[in-house]
This record gives sequence, C-alpha cells and structure tokens, in this order.
Amino acid sequence: DAGVIQSPRHEVTEMGQEVTLRCKPISGHDYLFWYRQTMMRGLELLIYFNNNVPIDDSGMPEDRFSAKMPNASFSTLKIQPSEPRDSAVYFCASSLQGAGKDTEAFFGQGTRLTVV
Amino acid sequence: AQKITQTQPGMFVQEKEAVTLDCTYDTSDPSYGLFWYKQPSSGEMIFLIYQGSYDQQNATEGRYSLNFQKARKSANLVISASQLGDSAMYFCAMREAPYTGGFKTIFGAGTRLFVKA
Repeated sequence: DAGVIQSPRHEVTEMGQEVTLRCKPISGHDYLFWYRQTMMRGLELLIYFNNNVPIDDSGMPEDRFSAKMPNASFSTLKIQPSEPRDSAVYFCASSLQGAGKDTEAFFGQGTRLTVV
Repeated sequence: AQKITQTQPGMFVQEKEAVTLDCTYDTSDPSYGLFWYKQPSSGEMIFLIYQGSYDQQNATEGRYSLNFQKARKSANLVISASQLGDSAMYFCAMREAPYTGGFKTIFGAGTRLFVKA
C-alpha cells in the first residue's frame, strides 16, 4: 500500500476562498483522523471517522470547517470561507480498530495551508 | 484538562548519550494504548513505539524503550546512544475509547530534542 495520501501538499489561497483538502486512507483501515498542527496549539484532533461515519467533530474549530467521508477510500476537509488564522499544516491519518498493538495512526505527508 | 502532558518543550543531549523524554497521561479507560512519534524537520510523522495498558513489560524497539509506570500514568521515552539524526520533535500519544464512541488518538504538545556533536 502507498500509505495515506493527501493532496494538495501545499495550498496558498486568499482570505474568503473555499479550500478543500483531500485524503486517501490506507486500504482496510477502519479509522480516519484529521489533525491540524500549528506552533501555538500543537497537533489538534479536528474530527475522526469510524467506517466512514463521523464519530466526534468536537475539535472542529468553527462552522466554517466541515469534513466528509463518502466512502472508505476518500475523505475531504473543507474550509469555507478561509481566514488567515486557518494557516497550518493539516494531517490526515488512518488506523485499524481498537487500542492494541498495530493500531498506531499512519499519517499522510500533510497539507501546508497558507491563507493570505 | 490536558490528557497528555509533555513538560519539556526542548531538550539537549550529547551524541552517544541516553535521553529520557517525559510523558504523563490521564484516562479513566482501563484499556488504552500509548505511542511515541518522531517528527523530523521534513515534517512527516514517524511511529516509534507502542505500549498497551495491559502490557506487563516495557516496550522496546531498537534504541527506543518506553518506561511505563501505570500507577503514575507516565510513559517516558528513552533513547539510548543518541545520534545526530535523532534531532527532531517527539510526540507522545494516547489511544482510548471515549464516551462519544470509537477510538481516538490524541497527542501531547511535543518535545524538541537537539543532539549535540
């Protein structure tokens, strides 16, 4: 498997524009996580899915953020409208079920978002 | 409340020496997993080591070992014989089953390790 694939790797957009980040998890993984990493706030969990169903979106900062997982191999994180404070690295990660061995989260390369 | 606490924002270690990175956690779930990840300057997240809450022995993976003290809720990472390539950000993470359902993995603030030649 190629691992978790995120696109784009870099995104520069103007304030007010819509931004869509994409993620393809590892095949066979039950869980998908979206994280945001900033210097000030570290690595925050935004939302996670189990078998394509959103379980907890309490980490989503505002209604401007939304995430979907229409099938087991694709998820999107959308920001509309974007603001400069949304600038961060956004990671997607996937994992197997449970909390035992081999349930570590596998991360994509991240999307570096800059809102100007 | 912080569920994962890493109290050392930055650490220095001399090459070839051992270093301990601290991590404490908080959970009421009896079944959980603890993980350490490395993030070099290139930005990718690299899984290093896992410890299960029911594991009797401390986990080891090459030069990495996890000093697990369940009663104290601590899961410190020990890196032996530090190398220059170990300079990176290190994150402690916990996977638990919250009341909201499923399993989630949350991360501490990280410790930046600098290895000196």
